[in-house]
Amino acid sequence: GAGVSQSPRYKVAKRGQDVALRCDPISGHVSLFWYQQALGQGPEFLTYFQNEAQLDKSGLPSDRFFAERPEGSVSTLKIQRTQQEDSAVYLCASSFRRGAPYNEQFFGPGTRLTVL
Amino acid sequence: QKEVEQDPGPLSVPEGAIVSLNCTYSNSAFQYFMWYRQYSRKGPELLMYTYSSGNKEDGRFTAQVDKSSKYISLFIRDSQPSDSATYLCATGSNAGNNRKLIWGLGTSLAVNP
Repeated sequence: GAGVSQSPRYKVAKRGQDVALRCDPISGHVSLFWYQQALGQGPEFLTYFQNEAQLDKSGLPSDRFFAERPEGSVSTLKIQRTQQEDSAVYLCASSFRRGAPYNEQFFGPGTRLTVL
Repeated sequence: QKEVEQDPGPLSVPEGAIVSLNCTYSNSAFQYFMWYRQYSRKGPELLMYTYSSGNKEDGRFTAQVDKSSKYISLFIRDSQPSDSATYLCATGSNAGNNRKLIWGLGTSLAVNP
C-alpha cells in the first residue's frame, strides 16, 4: 500500500544554496509533521500542519526554514542559504486522527541532506 | 537536561534473550508514550503506544509505563536477529494544538544469531 513518500531521498547542497524537500503523505491524512534527525540522535520536531494550516512551527531552527502545505496534502520544507549544521535527515510523518488521544504518526524514509 | 532521556547503547544480546529498553521523562504533562523501531536508512515505525500507567502486551513486545516515577520501558521476549534496529521512545501531550512528539536518542540493539 502507499505510505508516506519523500523526495529526493538524498540531496547534496553547497553551503549557501537553497533546497526544497517534498513530502507526499498518506492519502486522506489530516496531520503532517516535519522532523529533523541528526546522526545518532532522535528526531527533533520542526513543524506541524492540520490540513493546510500550520498550527505549530515552534521547532523551526531559524527563519531560513520555511514549510508549506497549500492544498492540505503535499508539503514542502524549504531551507534557504543552507549551512553545514543543516546536514541531517529530514523526516516527514502523517497522521489521520484529528483530536485522537494519541498520535500515531506514519513516517516516510526521510531525505538525507548533506551541506558541503 | 533533555525532556526525554534514553541510553543510546549499543546493546548486544544473543538470539532468544529478553531485552529491556528504558526511558525517563521530566514533564508530568506528557500523556501518551510510544515506542518506535527504526532500521538503518528508514523512517521510524510505531511498535507500541500506551496512554496510561501499566503494561500493554503485543506478541513478543510489552510496553510498561510508570507515571509516578516518569519511567517507560519496552521488553522484547525471545529476541530475533530481525529485531536488530534502533528503538526510540517518544512522548507527548495534547494540550491545545500541541501534537508534537518528544523523542529519546534511541537505543541501538543488535541481536546476534
